[in-house]
Amino acid sequence: DQQVKQNSPSLSVQEGRISILNCDYTNSMFDYFLWYKKYPAEGPTFLISISSIKDKNEDGRFTVFLNKSAKHLSLHIVPSQPGDSAVYFCAVQYNTDKLIFGTGTRLQVFP
Amino acid sequence: KAGVTQTPRYLIKTRGQQVTLSCSPISGHRSVSWYQQTPGQGLQFLFEYFSETQRNKGNFPGRFSGRQFSNSRSEMNVSTLELGDSALYLCASSLLGSSGANVLTFGAGSRLTVL
Repeated sequence: DQQVKQNSPSLSVQEGRISILNCDYTNSMFDYFLWYKKYPAEGPTFLISISSIKDKNEDGRFTVFLNKSAKHLSLHIVPSQPGDSAVYFCAVQYNTDKLIFGTGTRLQVFP
Repeated sequence: KAGVTQTPRYLIKTRGQQVTLSCSPISGHRSVSWYQQTPGQGLQFLFEYFSETQRNKGNFPGRFSGRQFSNSRSEMNVSTLELGDSALYLCASSLLGSSGANVLTFGAGSRLTVL
């Protein structure tokens, strides 16, 4: 029973356009929501997070939106760049510090 | 400062063997977590250690074990290897105790292939 789902295994976007990565969760008790990015042959790196009491957090080209009523999290990348091509994992945090990760979405940004 | 270091980076084993993976966390980080990454399964939590004690454990069989030393370095061991254990094993450390999002810093991983 997966509590965190990334239903799109892959996404292809043209350079300069918006990339939208989605994540759905089942439990309302999560405290924080995080996004990680992973390049091949490297470990995941932290990208951005949002508290459960907020609905939006922005950091440069990256914006995370939280829709608590729909139990839905999304990451917007604008504008998308070829260097953004990677696997993106969403994660939920509960009980102060426990994390559950999604299955990942592979983003490809083409010229 | 140095990041999370995992050794070895790549290894090949045969079924039935056992393997030990090592992880050195960021200096000052006392929490070390281990994850298994396989295609389509994302990052599956194995266990987490803090101050040499296992605080949390994921849903993996007893063949998977770990430990943490007094200098926060950690090892994980997989005994009686199976083909399905082929995966990327990731170690992550964090500054547990700070409020807010629990941001993990991952190592590059150890790629295990079981033949």
